[in-house]
Amino acid sequence: EVQLVESGGGSVQPGGSLRLSCAASGFTFSYYWMSWVRQAPGKGLEWVANIIQDGSEKSYVNSHLDSPKGRFTISRDNAKNSLYLQMNSLRGEDTAVYYCARFSSGRDGFDFWGQGTLVTVSS
Amino acid sequence: YELTQPPSVSVSPGQTARIACSGDVLSKQFPYWYQQKPGQAPVLVIFKDGERPSGIPERFSGSSSGTTVTLTISGVQAEDEADYYCQVADIIDTSVTFGGGTKLTVL
Repeated sequence: EVQLVESGGGSVQPGGSLRLSCAASGFTFSYYWMSWVRQAPGKGLEWVANIIQDGSEKSYVNSHLDSPKGRFTISRDNAKNSLYLQMNSLRGEDTAVYYCARFSSGRDGFDFWGQGTLVTVSS
Repeated sequence: YELTQPPSVSVSPGQTARIACSGDVLSKQFPYWYQQKPGQAPVLVIFKDGERPSGIPERFSGSSSGTTVTLTISGVQAEDEADYYCQVADIIDTSVTFGGGTKLTVL
């Protein structure tokens, strides 16, 4: 059974940092692209970042000036079956539930999701 | 890419719910569809050309016409009340776009 379990969320002040982790099991982690998707309170889903199987390629949302690109870094450790999201210079608008998701083999969608971890940025 | 969904759809139990997702990219690519119930993570319900993952009831189906794709739920049940999102990905740079989501209310 595929399982994705996020951790590392919590409350942080604006300008602070957090590192989210996602522990994967039930599948060969190194075979798949992985992703982070977030959802602000009462809002829709927003893709944050993807990472290729060996970590050599990464892509980030870059749709506007407040984009996480440049402040967030996705990474992975295949030996530990783990995905990470390092978040720096956090802002109020980064407040959201952050989901770890497995990118399908066709790289066109997400076939499994974790339960999410809540990040709250507030003074 | 840009995907547009109606904010809400309402149906009575046993009726058919149709949730549309529109966007130019949909003439070339079939979206993924996710169901999200309150307080829960999204769940994949339809992908590729209308395929259902294992465990998803047959009452969920997908169809396409031009630049609009429709998620159809036949014989809607109370448990189908949820938010539904369509999503596409750019195969070249792997960027991902979600529709704004549609709240399905079962009256």
